[in-house]
Amino acid sequence: AQSVTQLGSHVSVSEGALVLLRCNYSSSVPPYLFWYVQYPNQGLQLLLKYTSAATLVKGINGFEAEFKKSETSFHLTKPSAHMSDAAEYFCAVSDRMKTSYDKVIFGPGTSLSVIP
Amino acid sequence: NAGVTQTPKFRILKIGQSMTLQCTQDMNHNYMYWYRQDPGMGLKLIYYSVGAGITDKGEVPNGYNVSRSTTEDFPLRLELAAPSQTSVYFCASSEARELFFGEGSRLTVL
Repeated sequence: AQSVTQLGSHVSVSEGALVLLRCNYSSSVPPYLFWYVQYPNQGLQLLLKYTSAATLVKGINGFEAEFKKSETSFHLTKPSAHMSDAAEYFCAVSDRMKTSYDKVIFGPGTSLSVIP
Repeated sequence: NAGVTQTPKFRILKIGQSMTLQCTQDMNHNYMYWYRQDPGMGLKLIYYSVGAGITDKGEVPNGYNVSRSTTEDFPLRLELAAPSQTSVYFCASSEARELFFGEGSRLTVL
């Protein structure tokens, strides 16, 4: 069964510092991978997704993630944190096999705080 | 462009009461979902629908019911509310595995 783990339920960084949010997945074959962001009192929105093209995926707001098959990881990074990046971040996985619906499994989430 | 719209945003229920959370999408997506979000638990799928008239259970369906009479609407009904149903509920639709979420409905059962 597929699963997603996110190391660190809470991460704090200083404004201007590197953001690194960790995600590891468990799947028999490389799946589709996603990062979603949730700002306070809002729904989730897609930051970026990995399907099967380039292993380095660029998303919105300066975020990017690298798919590493050997490490079964899909860590999210941003070179310089901004105050507006404070939010909850969810890693998610979806099987490549055709399913009856878009089955997406979410990790538990990482709350990012940005210190001025 | 409204996307996915949920109502109400907040609701307090007494134990044993029933209510319906409304969800509407204007993107003509066939697939729609109801998730619940609890702290530190990520999102858990309650029910999903692959089109009008077709619904199925997700991971945590107990205590809930759904219907899908049109492509646009996917209401979630809570029967006999219990404190364990205190949560934030999200409706979503999807296309090509990308999920589009509503802003959520925060429900408290006392």
